[in-house]
Amino acid sequence: EAGVVQSPRYKIIEKKQPVAFWCNPISGHNTLYWYLQNLGQGPELLIRYENEEAVDDSQLPKDRFSAERLKGVDSTLKIQPAELGDSAVYLCASSFGQYNEQFFGPGTRLTVL
Amino acid sequence: TQLLEQSPQFLSIQEGENLTVYCNSSSVFSSLQWYRQEPGEGPVLLVTVVTGGEVKKLKRLTFQFGDARKDSSLHITAAQPGDTGLYLCAGPYRGATNKLIFGTGTLLAVQP
Repeated sequence: EAGVVQSPRYKIIEKKQPVAFWCNPISGHNTLYWYLQNLGQGPELLIRYENEEAVDDSQLPKDRFSAERLKGVDSTLKIQPAELGDSAVYLCASSFGQYNEQFFGPGTRLTVL
Repeated sequence: TQLLEQSPQFLSIQEGENLTVYCNSSSVFSSLQWYRQEPGEGPVLLVTVVTGGEVKKLKRLTFQFGDARKDSSLHITAAQPGDTGLYLCAGPYRGATNKLIFGTGTLLAVQP
């Protein structure tokens, strides 16, 4: 079974530039998450999808961040414009099972200069 | 607000030593999960504990869920360099299905 796929793995941009991250979850997993993770800390939820519906986006900075999950499969997270403080790892995960155990992709490490 | 505090925050030990990582909260959790994250990768699920007082073993790793379901511990016996990584506990948000809160993390380095 293929795992969660994310691309790109690394991205370096200058501040005020746009950036987009892509995620393909495990087949059959209806719940998809985007997390932000700072070095040495636990992931923080940005947005959660149930199929194509964003059911929890309370932590998403909507002035600059947007996300979509067309057809309830792949998802894209966008930042426009990026700020220095956005430098972090962006993780995508999908879940399955009674206890909502999560399967993570390798993440995208974003550096904003 | 539900919080999961982990201790210690950092731990550097020699190969062969034993260690324990703690995950504590003032809130009751219906279950807790432990993940390990290696450098440059996403977290990987190690175990889920669901019953107060439960003990689960995974090779050299022993996980315990507190009787009151407010805390959990991870004990590693005879640590190896391959155990190096960020250890995270996580539990479900009360009242929100399919949403986890992650702990503050414990960064473990095992020196050969």
